[in-house]
Amino acid sequence: KNQVEQSPQSLIILEGKNCTLQCNYTVSPFSNLRWYKQDTGRGPVSLTIMTFSENTKSNGRYTATLDADTKQSSLHITASQLSDSASYICVVNPHTGTASKLTFGTGTRLQVTL
Amino acid sequence: GAVVSQHPSWVICKSGTSVKIECRSLDFQATTMFWYRQFPKQSLMLMATSNEGSKATYEQGVEKDKFLINHASLTLSTLTVTSAHPEDSSFYICSARGVGSGGSGYTFGSGTRLTVV
Repeated sequence: KNQVEQSPQSLIILEGKNCTLQCNYTVSPFSNLRWYKQDTGRGPVSLTIMTFSENTKSNGRYTATLDADTKQSSLHITASQLSDSASYICVVNPHTGTASKLTFGTGTRLQVTL
Repeated sequence: GAVVSQHPSWVICKSGTSVKIECRSLDFQATTMFWYRQFPKQSLMLMATSNEGSKATYEQGVEKDKFLINHASLTLSTLTVTSAHPEDSSFYICSARGVGSGGSGYTFGSGTRLTVV
């Protein structure tokens, strides 16, 4: 069964600190892995997209890594800001076709505090 | 980049009435649209996939007669919740994918909070 598991479920950190979120997947076949940020009451916004051959991808203070051999990914947030408080969702796309269905992780709820 | 506009952002309706949610791709042609619902503290659950000009494909357990999906054009898809009941209260999100500038990714709408009273 295709699954995407994320850890931790929730995380509280102080503003300015770094944090790393984890994602393990069993989805097969595999086309790409995406990290999304979802603010409460809003739709997900794409942070990074990585294909099989990419090991790391950065977007500002967000850096995602991918190990396709172990089927693990991480999202590292540097110098966290209060506005980083949101749910971060790891999503795996099995195919490249336009109708390919995404497999979603349950997300990590991050809270950044003063 | 690709933009998907979803409307309304929230709606409150009486039990037994129908509610229509619109999802528009603003700068690309959405050949495929996905409709999700999301319960509090849970991830997105795919309800159905629709391709422009054809009938939607519903996921197992989703009532197609209750959740009517129309994808009549390459820029517009609608989800109508018919005879809504309190258990239909949820956060509904659309996602579009297609051709055009930035449209090859999965772009999500901003979601619609439906409350049935």
